Amino acid sequence: ETGVTQTPRHLVMGMTNKKSLKCEQHLGHNAMYWYKQSAKKPLELMFVYSLEERVENNSVPSRFSPECPNSSHLFLHLHTLQPEDSALYLCASSQGRSGPLNEQFFGPGTRLTVL
Amino acid sequence: QQQVKQSPQSLIVQKGGISIINCAYENTAFDYFPWYQQFPGKGPALLIAIRPDVSEKKEGRFTISFNKSAKQFSLHIMDSQPGDSATYFCAASRRDSSYKLIFGSGTRLLVRP
Repeated sequence: ETGVTQTPRHLVMGMTNKKSLKCEQHLGHNAMYWYKQSAKKPLELMFVYSLEERVENNSVPSRFSPECPNSSHLFLHLHTLQPEDSALYLCASSQGRSGPLNEQFFGPGTRLTVL
Repeated sequence: QQQVKQSPQSLIVQKGGISIINCAYENTAFDYFPWYQQFPGKGPALLIAIRPDVSEKKEGRFTISFNKSAKQFSLHIMDSQPGDSATYFCAASRRDSSYKLIFGSGTRLLVRP
């Protein structure tokens, strides 16, 4: 596997379900990100982890719970979601969280549908 | 002040034509302006980026033009090809917090054969 991988690629869940999204980066990076991508809206940064420490939490509802057990893996735990949470959830990684050439590498995303 | 405004929302260009996408920002502290390209079923990928110390950057058929005084930057795709059909996002950030990319809302480009 190369780059940033995400599983599952598609997920349908009810409002009372609990599920988790998984992201893995094979680039040796130290920072990982969760974004939400909704139709016709800018990508929304949800969480940033740098060296396994959460450094950004953009007022995301508590029904989204991130976990970063090591610098290569990132999870997004979901519970009691709402239909408006249906979106494409993108994971990204970068070498660090600051600096002049901090290119972010994105995974293919998980398409989430909440019924 | 954190917004990046992108236009047009969608664009149709004939093969061989020039595609132009524009972005504007308010925060003068921004000093890094990347463009990302996203194909269906894929995540965004960095296409080209510019810093405000230059007014233009060219990589192959892709050029970023930057106007610091107007707080605007644009992506030009010369000799557009059907394979360029994708969604393009501009973004901006500060060097000291470059992880915090502020994205535009995207432009869906269709290049007709």
